[in-house]
Amino acid sequence: GAGVSQSPRYKVAKRGQDVALRCDPISGHVSLFWYQQALGQGPEFLTYFQNEAQLDKSGLPSDRFFAERPEGSVSTLKIQRTQQEDSAVYLCASSPMRAGGQETQYFGPGTRLLVL
Amino acid sequence: AQSVTQLGSHVSVSEGALVLLRCNYSSSVPPYLFWYVQYPNQGLQLLLKYTSAATLVKGINGFEAEFKKSETSFHLTKPSAHMSDAAEYFCAVSAGLNAGNMLTFGGGTRLMVKP
Repeated sequence: GAGVSQSPRYKVAKRGQDVALRCDPISGHVSLFWYQQALGQGPEFLTYFQNEAQLDKSGLPSDRFFAERPEGSVSTLKIQRTQQEDSAVYLCASSPMRAGGQETQYFGPGTRLLVL
Repeated sequence: AQSVTQLGSHVSVSEGALVLLRCNYSSSVPPYLFWYVQYPNQGLQLLLKYTSAATLVKGINGFEAEFKKSETSFHLTKPSAHMSDAAEYFCAVSAGLNAGNMLTFGGGTRLMVKP
């Protein structure tokens, strides 16, 4: 079956430009996560949705970062006024159940963002 | 708070040799632990996970890991490396119920397999 998909796969932005990254989770998955992976590092948590509710946004690095999941399926991560330090791979993951700790998260291929 | 330490950012083995990737964790609650593999330009794929059942967990592609509470470790092993095992490996711990099971990852270990 279809896995998690993300678009675009690659994005080059000029500093100060706004960008929008899309995530299509596995159909029916309740939980959706965004992670940021800097070059040579492990992914770091950004935000978590349970259906359309954003239950945790503690990992968002600044108020330039905004995420939404209005209908409980597709999610968009928006970065306003991009800075060079925003350059990273942005990973989306989904899992079938609500909070439980042991649920497997299924990851998309990521969007590689380069800010010049 | 949870944290994960992966000792060795790069590990090189010969094809057919034992693979050992180290992971130590810190958690204030009983942890759920995961190993993921990442191939170039791809997302993370689950290798195996520990969810408080058997302490020796078997995963895909011949990998296994043993949960040792006394050592706070969850090292990943494979008896015989294959060229196709060359990838980046990440150990992760789940924060548990109250945080929506977000994952906290280690810094990763790049496995290189020599012919």
